[in-house]
Amino acid sequence: SQQGEEDPQALSIQEGENATMNCSYKTSINNLQWYRQNSGRGLVHLILIRSNEREKHSGRLRVTLDTSKKSSSLLITASRAADTASYFCATHGFGNEKLTFGTGTRLTIIP
Amino acid sequence: NAGVTQTPKFQVLKTGQSMTLQCAQDMNHEYMSWYRQDPGMGLRLIHYSVGAGITDQGEVPNGYNVSRSTTEDFPLRLLSAAPSQTSVYFCASSSPGTSGSPLHFGNGTRLTVT
Repeated sequence: SQQGEEDPQALSIQEGENATMNCSYKTSINNLQWYRQNSGRGLVHLILIRSNEREKHSGRLRVTLDTSKKSSSLLITASRAADTASYFCATHGFGNEKLTFGTGTRLTIIP
Repeated sequence: NAGVTQTPKFQVLKTGQSMTLQCAQDMNHEYMSWYRQDPGMGLRLIHYSVGAGITDQGEVPNGYNVSRSTTEDFPLRLLSAAPSQTSVYFCASSSPGTSGSPLHFGNGTRLTVT
């Protein structure tokens, strides 16, 4: 079964606007990661946030983590056409190396 | 620096045929894994390995075998292909030691079983 569920499943916005995607998970985690997948390609790691962190930034990306609600959000500011992709959250539990992925959000940036 | 290399990129099999999906990484990563990606279901873990000689099952291991004789290679074997195994398969690796190290993915193998 999937650990993470992204919301929304699909999102279309105008270039320049901000995009927000949410991820909910079920069990306690060591860390949560976000990945991007361009069509026909493998996933690329974007950012990792640990369970004792509440917010993290990387360039135009901002990730928040609320462990009490078992949820995370990914904000992409000032979106560009090149941001069009699917975005996945993935959770890493304790005591193992396995990473469990959610079902993804398909983001489309309209030029 | 090639990273994670998967071969072949595309494959069509008939039901009952066998094949091996190849995965090689040149980053000296100890951890390697195989995922399958199906529409609407995200990525599901098939098998993983934390080092040469060590493998374990993931979420959906049935119908697949793996072995890890070297650090670099982690092949995935389909013993008797079924239409339900039609999917895109991704190999990924990481360097554990730092908890939750990011995964490095190959570009996938698109498999169709008829």
